[in-house]
Formats: sequence, C-alpha cells, structure tokens
Amino acid sequence: TAGITQAPTSQILAAGRSMTLRCTQDMRHNAMYWYRQDLGLGLRLIHYSNTAGTTGKGEVPDGYSVSRANTDDFPLTLASAVPSQTSVYFCASSFGPRDTQYFGPGTRLTVL
Amino acid sequence: QKEVEQDPGPLSVPEGAIVSLNCTYSNSAFQYFMWYRQYSRKGPELLMYTYSSGNKEDGRFTAQVDKSSKYISLFIRDSQPSDSATYLCAMSAWDQAGTALIFGKGTTLSVSS
Repeated sequence: TAGITQAPTSQILAAGRSMTLRCTQDMRHNAMYWYRQDLGLGLRLIHYSNTAGTTGKGEVPDGYSVSRANTDDFPLTLASAVPSQTSVYFCASSFGPRDTQYFGPGTRLTVL
Repeated sequence: QKEVEQDPGPLSVPEGAIVSLNCTYSNSAFQYFMWYRQYSRKGPELLMYTYSSGNKEDGRFTAQVDKSSKYISLFIRDSQPSDSATYLCAMSAWDQAGTALIFGKGTTLSVSS
C-alpha cells in the first residue's frame, strides 16, 4: 500500500507564477489536510477537507486554495507565489477529522 | 499562551540514555494524545497513540498522560542513534469544532554513539 503520495518532491518557482501541489491517498480516508512546516514555527494547517466535496480554512489559508473532487485527491494551488511561501508542504489524511493523521513525504518548495 | 507547548531542544544524549520528551497543554477538553517522529527531510510518522491517563508502552517507548496536570511525556529507553529525529506531540478533543490535531512545535533529539 502506497499510503499518501505527494508530487513534486521539490520545486523552485518564480514569484508570481502559479503551481499546484498534488496529494493522493489510497487508504479511503475521509479527511485530508495540507500543512506547511517552517523552522521554529512547526506544522501549521493551511486547509483541510473532512469529506469529499467540502473544504475548510486552517490557520494560514491566505494565498492558497484547495479542492476535493473525490476521496483520494486533495490538490493545493498557489495562484501567485510569493517568497514567503517557501516552505516544506505536507499532505496528511485520517479516517475522521479527529483521528490519527498519516503524512505524506512532503514537497519542498522554494519561491524566488 | 499556546494551546500546546513543547520545548524545541535540541536535546543531545549518549547512546543508551533514557530520554524524556514533554508537552504541556491548556485545553482540558483534549482527550486523544499522539507522538509523531520525524526524520530529517521526511514526513512525520505516528509513534504512539493514547486516549487515557496513565502509561502506554511499546518496546523502548512509553507514552505517559497526566490529564490533571495537562502534561504528556514520551520516554525512550536505551536510546539509539537511529532515534535521532524531531518528536512532535499532538492532541485533539472529541467535541472540537472543525478539525484537526493540535501539534507542538517539536523537540529535536540527537543520540550520539
């Protein structure tokens, strides 16, 4: 079982460009999440989805959008990247919204 | 005051030492407590999960929850260089609106051989 896959592994992006980070899980989990992790700030929730067709804002949602068209996929889009979005992005999933979360390997994004 | 406080370390110990990692929290509604381990340049992985006060043991790892003091601990016995990682505590409440685990910022552990 693959669990959670994320793509790309890493990316360098010019400021102002758009990008979609991909996340797919094969565990049939209902809930999915996007976090960013920055040194000294820990994991911060960007957006979440408790079930397919619904999404919600986390602690740091500005500049990001998500969609949840089906159970397995939860893409994160940066419409116009800025250098402050340089970070490591982790996708996670859980059976329910308060259950143990399982994390993907992360996408390391650098915005120049 | 943050909901979850965790000393970032770094914590350096020799191989074989007993390690104690701790988190304090302020929300008395938290009922589920987890410890994640994160190796450098990897995603966090679940290490221990508990939903009650007391101790839970898994091999060299023991998770301890003291709800009266709002304090959780992770003990690592006979620490190994392979335990060198960042350890994050996480917790949630059953009736918590919206979603999500609340994470501590993580403690970085280095075990030297």
